[in-house]
Amino acid sequence: GAGVSQSPSNKVTEKGKDVELRCDPISGHTALYWYRQSLGQGLEFLIYFQGNSAPDKSGLPSDRFSAERTGGSVSTLTIQRTQQEDSAVYLCASSSTGGGLQSPLHFGNGTRLTVT
Amino acid sequence: KNEVEQSPQNLTAQEGEFITINCSYSVGISALHWLQQHPGGGIVSLFMLSSGKKKHGRLIATINIQEKHSSLHITASHPRDSAVYICAVRTGYGGSQGNLIFGKGTKLSVKP
Repeated sequence: GAGVSQSPSNKVTEKGKDVELRCDPISGHTALYWYRQSLGQGLEFLIYFQGNSAPDKSGLPSDRFSAERTGGSVSTLTIQRTQQEDSAVYLCASSSTGGGLQSPLHFGNGTRLTVT
Repeated sequence: KNEVEQSPQNLTAQEGEFITINCSYSVGISALHWLQQHPGGGIVSLFMLSSGKKKHGRLIATINIQEKHSSLHITASHPRDSAVYICAVRTGYGGSQGNLIFGKGTKLSVKP
């Protein structure tokens, strides 16, 4: 594809419900990252995938958050039993490899999650 | 204290002015990123560097590893440069380049 695609672009959900956020990386990009940008806060790292495995999950804030990646392509970030503090913009990025200065990050436009 | 500090937080400039945004960090890093976030949220990676200087069009990024400091310069600024500019650092040499520590951003507004 032309770029990193995220869906939905906006999601409003009730507290306690589960939500799934989707990321389609650039075709051929082996590395995929999820970040979160809360209102008034900076960006924070959530999780990194290399292929289908997640060698770095250190940024996931609680066990309500999980992510998977299948076929080395699409990734889904799942938030269970959403809380109001989960409200944020969730951003996905991909790169052609997992390291090195020759593989810049390409970001999607994000999913704005609002928990009411 | 934040590990990545940017200054200024907000910057207003007149079209054509030379602009400098600063980033200081307190951790050892293997790379530093400059990102641009436009209203509406889309983020573009401008530079990724570990030493010296990089230039792309009117944008120049420099880094001084010893002083733990980086600057982003915009020459001949234009209203379309109005955006939030974010500095982010990758710590260590193992692991992924995507595990970044982000600054809070500098909001730039360029007036015509």
